[in-house]
Amino acid sequence: GNSVTQMEGPVTLSEEAFLTINCTYTATGYPSLFWYVQYPGEGLQLLLKATKADDKGSNKGFEATYRKETTSFHLEKGSVQVSDSAVYFCALRNNNAGNMLTFGGGTRLMVKP
Amino acid sequence: EAQVTQNPRYLITVTGKKLTVTCSQNMNHEYMSWYRQDPGLGLRQIYYSMNVEVTDKGDVPEGYKVSRKEKRNFPLILESPSPNQTSLYFCASRTGTGKGEQYFGPGTRLTVT
Repeated sequence: GNSVTQMEGPVTLSEEAFLTINCTYTATGYPSLFWYVQYPGEGLQLLLKATKADDKGSNKGFEATYRKETTSFHLEKGSVQVSDSAVYFCALRNNNAGNMLTFGGGTRLMVKP
Repeated sequence: EAQVTQNPRYLITVTGKKLTVTCSQNMNHEYMSWYRQDPGLGLRQIYYSMNVEVTDKGDVPEGYKVSRKEKRNFPLILESPSPNQTSLYFCASRTGTGKGEQYFGPGTRLTVT
């Protein structure tokens, strides 16, 4: 079956620090990969996505590269801001599974001024 | 504005008292789904609907019912809530092609005592 594993949080960083949140997946076929962000009290918003191997998704300074050889999709940002404090979810969508989304457990990021 | 709305946003109830959480989308999306979010488990799909009068079980359907009589609405029904259904619930919708972005509602925090 499909599964997504991401690093447990919380991750606490100072402003302008470098961020990495690890995500690995298990899936048959060729899934699409996503990062969603959940700000306090809100629903999930799509942050970025990649649909095939070696694609790089990017948005708002965040990046993630689809690595099929390591089945990974790690989220990175060069310089975090306090406003990036949120919960981040890695997810995959597999055409072999009716296009349903499978989520990781979420990683809470706290950025201190 | 394109959006998914849910009501109520917060609900405290007692074991066994039937309740309904409503979900509505204004994007004419074919596909709608319900998730529950629990700490460390990410989002798990409860039920989904590919179109009007077409619903199917997700990963954790036990104790829940849904209906899809109209394209825009997808209510979640708990006939006899139990404390293990205390959770944060999200409704989501997307186009039926499977390639479109999934839009999430703001969430409903349910507590069953």
